[in-house]
Amino acid sequence: DAGITQSPRYKITETGRQVTLMCHQTWSHSYMFWYRQDLGHGLRLIYYSAAADITDKGEVPDGYVVSRSKTENFPLTLESATRSQTSVYFCASREWPRTEGTDTQYFGPGTRLTVL
Amino acid sequence: AQSVSQHNHHVILSEAASLELGCNYSYGGTVNLFWYVQYPGQHLQLLLKYFSGDPLVKGIKGFEAEFIKSKFSFNLRKPSVQWSDTAEYFCAVRNPNYGQNFVFGPGTRLSVLP
Repeated sequence: DAGITQSPRYKITETGRQVTLMCHQTWSHSYMFWYRQDLGHGLRLIYYSAAADITDKGEVPDGYVVSRSKTENFPLTLESATRSQTSVYFCASREWPRTEGTDTQYFGPGTRLTVL
Repeated sequence: AQSVSQHNHHVILSEAASLELGCNYSYGGTVNLFWYVQYPGQHLQLLLKYFSGDPLVKGIKGFEAEFIKSKFSFNLRKPSVQWSDTAEYFCAVRNPNYGQNFVFGPGTRLSVLP
């Protein structure tokens, strides 16, 4: 059971380049999320998706684009990378909360992105 | 907007010391509360969660947390820490009536000295 995977795990790119971070989950969870983790800020939500073809902005969406054509995949694209987007990116998923107690997010291993 | 604060940025303890990490949130209504742990180089893992019922919640690895509604707090405790508890700890809050988002605190780094 792979759970939730992210690729690549590490990425170095240059300012202005387009970068896509991949996220894949095997649980068929309805919800998927992208966070960035920066020192002193904890985790901040970039975008989330409630289901295939349904996405919505989080706290810090500027400079990012997401898509969700299939339930299991939720790629995050930096259209023109900037140094301020150097961060660790975490993907997460959770199922549709049918009953109390199922409202738990499960996180992927993270992608460490450096923009030079 | 909801916010979550964690009192300590970095806590340093010796093995066998007792631990309490503070977490306060801003929303006054129904909330779901979580503590996640991130070991060095790893992803976030759920330690424990509170939805309703007994305000004292027990989680994995001997951790527990107490929900005090009047104080908007959900502090994490462990009576005796181990070196392997060295990690970053995040408190998170979700208002089930306010969308699907979790709001995370900034995290507290715990260093346990052997």
